[in-house]
Amino acid sequence: DTVLTQSPALAVSPGERVTISCRASESVSTLMHWYQQKPGQQPKLLIYKASNLASGVPARFSGSGSGTDFTFTIDPVEADDIATYYCHQSWNSPRTFGGGTKLELK
Amino acid sequence: QVQLKESGPDLVQPSQTLSLTCTVSGFSLTSYGVSWVRQPPGKGLEWIAAISSGGSTYYNSVLKSRLSISRDTSKSQVFLKMNSLQTEDTAMYFCAGGSYFDYWGQGVMVTVSS
Repeated sequence: DTVLTQSPALAVSPGERVTISCRASESVSTLMHWYQQKPGQQPKLLIYKASNLASGVPARFSGSGSGTDFTFTIDPVEADDIATYYCHQSWNSPRTFGGGTKLELK
Repeated sequence: QVQLKESGPDLVQPSQTLSLTCTVSGFSLTSYGVSWVRQPPGKGLEWIAAISSGGSTYYNSVLKSRLSISRDTSKSQVFLKMNSLQTEDTAMYFCAGGSYFDYWGQGVMVTVSS
């Protein structure tokens, strides 16, 4: 199975730029997607196919990458962005998720 | 407006079978696939099974022998069955639909305990 590796946690301050990485154990082409999950809520799609902004998602969120290395950026970070972010690949079967990156306030 | 809603028991005894239903509105199951994703308390997301718009099924490698996913397109429902439940299967179970999991249900919390 394709293993997706994310850093477990990052500390940020509002107004900063933050980048979250996701590395795949094998190529996933550009079929990498990013989700935001706040406590007690279902995940929400933010970025699909590596770099496409989902409907209604602010342009502060962006994504890039292909193959095995992907990044997700928030610029600038707002207090409401404190959440856990997951990458997910749908190129290889079975689909897999990264372990999640928890954004915390400095 | 797209909605997905999970239903099923909140408590299951060890070794028993879990049966969950995802009821979809706002899109046709013959247009988009639906997956089940679970999340143990305090942990990350785990994809467990999917049924495509064409009816093909896909399963998590580790759980495959315990899972069955099916659908009733006339009722816009997707079903998940998982047998031989253990305490480590305690989790929030979500269904998600759309090409890129655009849409999610609110989830159903399933506790495995005697």
